Amino acid sequence: DAGVIQSPRHEVTEMGQEVTLRCKPISGHNSLFWYRQTMMRGLELLIYFNNNVPIDDSGMPEDRFSAKMPNASFSTLKIQPSEPRDSAVYFCASSLKGQPKFGAGTRLSVL
Amino acid sequence: DAKTTQPNSMESNEEEPVHLPCNHSTISGTDYIHWYRQLPSQGPEYVIHGLTSNVNNRMASLAIAEDRKSSTLILHRATLRDAAVYYCILSKDNFNKFYFGSGTKLNVKP
Repeated sequence: DAGVIQSPRHEVTEMGQEVTLRCKPISGHNSLFWYRQTMMRGLELLIYFNNNVPIDDSGMPEDRFSAKMPNASFSTLKIQPSEPRDSAVYFCASSLKGQPKFGAGTRLSVL
Repeated sequence: DAKTTQPNSMESNEEEPVHLPCNHSTISGTDYIHWYRQLPSQGPEYVIHGLTSNVNNRMASLAIAEDRKSSTLILHRATLRDAAVYYCILSKDNFNKFYFGSGTKLNVKP
């Protein structure tokens, strides 16, 4: 079990650029979650998928954010265009009828 | 969704027990109580969970009040590696929506 794998671990970009964060869930897990963590707001649930279908995206902050899960082993979170206030650590987690297991996160800095 | 309330920070001495409290006065009958912790620069990791009865595992114990309006995470012998932010979370039985509060930052002194 390699755990949840996120890439890149660190991303530095300039305001206005497109950013794509990637996640490979644990094999066999059927639920996938994207979280964002900032000092001000803590850990926020952005969106979660069940069997590759988005179930609840009420936490997605605005239309600049989009998430996809084209198959059971891959998901992306895209920000276009990025803004400095998007700077945060983004976590992906996956689960199978149990508690989610988290990846190590992607630290995003938008300059 | 029901909310949880935890102290912002706590301090413990190494090798002593630690009791981390959590209040959840609006918990519903189907809400499970979960505890996660987040070590520095890492993602949250599962610690323990329960519904009504007290629970023990290799990491910790969970004591749940009889009215379920509060719970306590017990680390029997704190080590320096237990220094982390501990989150108390409520979720329905499908475990699909985990809302993290601000948690308790535990500092362990040598």
